[in-house]
Amino acid sequence: DTEVTQTPKHLVMGMTNKKSLKCEQHMGHRAMYWYKQKAKKPPELMFVYSYEKLSINESVPSRFSPECPNSSLLNLHLHALQPEDSALYLCASSQGRVGTSRSFGPGTRLTVL
Amino acid sequence: AQKVTQAQTEISVVEKEDVTLDCVYETRDTTYYLFWYKQPPSGELVFLIRRNSFDEQNEISGRYSWNFQKSTSSFNFTITASQVVDSAVYFCALSGTLQGAQKLVFGQGTRLTINP
Repeated sequence: DTEVTQTPKHLVMGMTNKKSLKCEQHMGHRAMYWYKQKAKKPPELMFVYSYEKLSINESVPSRFSPECPNSSLLNLHLHALQPEDSALYLCASSQGRVGTSRSFGPGTRLTVL
Repeated sequence: AQKVTQAQTEISVVEKEDVTLDCVYETRDTTYYLFWYKQPPSGELVFLIRRNSFDEQNEISGRYSWNFQKSTSSFNFTITASQVVDSAVYFCALSGTLQGAQKLVFGQGTRLTINP
């Protein structure tokens, strides 16, 4: 299995809703990432988990809460989002060693009303 | 600080033409890694190639080729005999080893359109 899966593919939520994005990989990768991508922009790093521990938080607002239940799963919990949070959210994984490539999932396209 | 510049925002060519996507990078690390990713309209970023700073050999994979020149800090990507399926946004990216080794610095991307 050489892919990263993400669910759901699309999500529409109101500003008072609570929702979660899910990401899964079975490649034995030890690092997992969340990226946010706005239209016509490159992906922006949000969080990095290394060996199931949060190693990087790029000053992301607390309305985004990551969770890594085990080495294969990565969640992003969403609460009280703003319309400007609408974007494509990409999950990625890598072996975790310096210079290794990331494998990206297909993304969740999030719309906040 | 690390930086990747893709000066070409959009390129449009007719099928079967050759096209080169430029990438210029800045880093203070002596060991670093360069990448190219393809993002088709579906959204998923597809890994194309990784190069480390000690390997300046150019690489060819089918219609794709990459020219890495440390002297000019460039890592350009050429598609030969382009096809409509090559239409996508292409990102060049850089990963260092000293500063922010876990971070991947992306360029702004080049939107490539291949017209039939």
